[in-house]
Formats: sequence, C-alpha cells, structure tokens
Amino acid sequence: DAGVIQSPRHEVTEMGQEVTLRCKPISGHNSLFWYRQTMMRGLELLIYFNNNVPIDDSGMPEDRFSAKMPNASFSTLKIQPSEPRDSAVYFCASSPRGGQPGELFFGEGSRLTVL
Amino acid sequence: RKEVEQDPGPFNVPEGATVAFNCTYSNSASQSFFWYRQDCRKEPKLLMSVYSSGNEDGRFTAQLNRASQYISLLIRDSKLSDSATYLCVVSGNAGNNRKLIWGLGTSLAVNP
Repeated sequence: DAGVIQSPRHEVTEMGQEVTLRCKPISGHNSLFWYRQTMMRGLELLIYFNNNVPIDDSGMPEDRFSAKMPNASFSTLKIQPSEPRDSAVYFCASSPRGGQPGELFFGEGSRLTVL
Repeated sequence: RKEVEQDPGPFNVPEGATVAFNCTYSNSASQSFFWYRQDCRKEPKLLMSVYSSGNEDGRFTAQLNRASQYISLLIRDSKLSDSATYLCVVSGNAGNNRKLIWGLGTSLAVNP
C-alpha cells in the first residue's frame, strides 16, 4: 500500500522565491497534518485538516505561509516569499477516521533550504 | 517550562543492554501519550501508544505516571537496529486532542 507521498524531496531556493510543497495522503485517511521540523524546535504542527477543512492553523508562522486541501487526495503548503529561517524539513502526515489522535502516518518529508 | 521535555542524550549502550527513557509533560489535562521512533534523516514512525495500565510490545515497555506527569520507555536486550531518536508525544486536552505536542527526542546509539 502506498504511504503518504510528498514532493519535492529536496528543494533549494533563494530568499524571496515562492515554494510549493505537495502531499498526497493515504487513501481513505480523513485527517491531514503539515509539520515543520528543525533541530532547535523539533516537530511543530503548522496546520491540520479534517475532511479537507482546515481545523487549526494556529501554528502557521505568518502570512507568508498558506495551505490548501482542494480534495481528499491532495494538499499544498506554500511559502511566499521564502526566507532563510524557513529552512527545515516539512512533513505531511495523515491519519485514519476513528484512529487514535496520535496515530499519524508521515511522508518522507521535504527538505527545504532557503539561501 | 517546556510542555514536553526529554533528555536529549545521547544514550550510548552496548548490544543487549536495557535502557530507559523518561519524558515529562506539563499539561495535567493531557489525554493520550505515544512514543515515536525517528531514524536519521527519516520520518517519525509510531512505536507504541502509552496506556494508563502500561503496555508491552516485545522488548519495549511503556508506562504512564499521571500523578508525576511522566511517561517512560524501556527497551530490553537492545539491538543495533534500535539506534534512533525516540520522540515522546502528548495529545492536547479533550477539546483538541488532535493537537499533539512533541518532545525534541532522546537519541539512542546501540554499539556492538
């Protein structure tokens, strides 16, 4: 069975450029999460969706970040304009309907470097 | 005080050793608790849930102490393949138990 699929796996860009990260959750999962991981701050929840609806975006750092989930099989996280402090690994995760709150299935992550 | 605290380690142990990690949490209303494992440059993967009565899965035992607000993970007969970072995860209160709070992780290196 396919797991959570993220793209790109690696992205190197220059400050000020737009970055779009993509995620395909596991089929049948109804919750989707975007996380950011850095050495200093660990894993931080940016936003999560339930049935394609954003439920909690309090972790989104600022207006430069936006996320969408147009359908049950696709989500994007966009950073515009990007800054060097956005450099991190961005993980997408999904969880099944009725699953435990901590039962998340992560993608392999998108490693972003902003120069 | 951080919401979830872990000793970062690293814990360096020989193969076959028993090793234990603790994790403390600050929100007494937390509902659910988990241990995840993350290999170097990989994604986190759920290792086990932590139940009030404690639970065991092979060489791994997880315990919860609500009074002292900590959870623990015990690994017996450690293997080289157990080398990883172990992340403690605590859910929010009943109103938003989808919001997980993650510790920074404890690094374990099992040596031959």
